[in-house]
Amino acid sequence: GQQLNQSPQSMFIQEGEDVSMNCTSSSIFNTWLWYKQDPGEGPVLLIALYKAGELTSNGRLTAQFGITRKDSFLNISASIPSDVGIYFCAGQENSGYALNFGKGTSLLVTP
Amino acid sequence: NAGVMQNPRHLVRRRGQEARLRCSPMKGHSHVYWYRQLPEEGLKFMVYLQKENIIDESGMPKERFSAEFPKEGPSILRIQQVVRGDSAAYFCASSPTGPSSYNSPLHFGNGTRLTVT
Repeated sequence: GQQLNQSPQSMFIQEGEDVSMNCTSSSIFNTWLWYKQDPGEGPVLLIALYKAGELTSNGRLTAQFGITRKDSFLNISASIPSDVGIYFCAGQENSGYALNFGKGTSLLVTP
Repeated sequence: NAGVMQNPRHLVRRRGQEARLRCSPMKGHSHVYWYRQLPEEGLKFMVYLQKENIIDESGMPKERFSAEFPKEGPSILRIQQVVRGDSAAYFCASSPTGPSSYNSPLHFGNGTRLTVT
């Protein structure tokens, strides 16, 4: 599968700050998904994007499907301690069944 | 993700033994996917199944690994003669329709953590 480049690898921020992370791919995707994974748990879907240029919000989370269809970003506004976890982007090519995952962004939030 | 049920949550096997991982999809879902996650890595696709059919096993190692999704009962990922390199978290996901079609993204279970000693 395609390797996605997800950055940053980790972030250490204070409560209340905004956070931004992004993913890029060498391939064109028709779907971008963002998941959050807590230790010992499975990934939980945060936002799903299906159209180039699409901007979607879920509470304090906002994600966009890049115009080139090769990138996506996730923003978290006014972070809180429960935002701690690992955030994964995942993309899917038009012809395939597999989701291609990034290596994750580890987020730490201090009170 | 509580809808996709995986068991056991933790599995310890000695080298050479067999590991059987089970996945019950969300109610009404007939499409099942298995992914593997190594420490500090993202998930890697292994296999996609519909009831009684393997659709895509391009991510599955050619030897020792097999998967099934029978007409009745859970999907099973079977690893024969396990080796230390098989130690990983194995996640199952399900969807009601084909792969990530609109309004049908994948929902994952909590995984089985396999440790090979």
